[in-house]
Amino acid sequence: EVVMTQSPATLSVSPGERVTLSCRASQSVTNNLAWYQVKPGQAPRLLLYGVSARATGVPARFSGSGSGTEFTLTISGLQSEDFAVYFCQQYNNRPPWTFGQGTKVEMK
Amino acid sequence: QAQVVESGGGLVKPGGSLRLSCTPSGFTFSDYYMSWIRQAPGKGLEWLAYISAKGTTVHYADSVKGRFIVSRDNAKQSLYLEMKSLRVEDTAVYYCARDFTGLDYWGQGTLVTVSS
Repeated sequence: EVVMTQSPATLSVSPGERVTLSCRASQSVTNNLAWYQVKPGQAPRLLLYGVSARATGVPARFSGSGSGTEFTLTISGLQSEDFAVYFCQQYNNRPPWTFGQGTKVEMK
Repeated sequence: QAQVVESGGGLVKPGGSLRLSCTPSGFTFSDYYMSWIRQAPGKGLEWLAYISAKGTTVHYADSVKGRFIVSRDNAKQSLYLEMKSLRVEDTAVYYCARDFTGLDYWGQGTLVTVSS
């Protein structure tokens, strides 16, 4: 099973700041990496798939990079609606799919 | 707009059983793989099970293998998760999601509480 490790666990930021979240895989997942945004009481939302492709309706301030085992989600100019928990997930080859433990982006 | 809606959650005693359903709309259900995922209170997301478009291939997380069964009825446009031998640690919100280059459409989830 591929273990996904996210850092940091919590980020305290102010609106307008640039935010960088990291995700590391225990073995290569090539480019089969997705990012999700989760808010309490809401359906989780796919943000990025294939490392950097934005899902339908996702604003351009969300971007992704990386390959193999090291990945990054960047939010350029954090908006108030972006305070949430973010998870990375690998879907390489065949299941089991695995998620990172999440990064909480909270208001400073 | 693609959507999925989960149902069937509730309170069940340890050792009990429950069947969750997932009803899709806005896309051709029979063309897509589907997955079940859960989130326990205060915890992260945990992928549980996956079923191919025709239902011929399934995969499970080790944590539920042998206790949970994923199935689908494409004629009825429905996805199911049969859960047996439930444990307190199975308490979570259960989500279904379309599995296509990531999990691209999720429902709001259905809460399963396992408690005596």
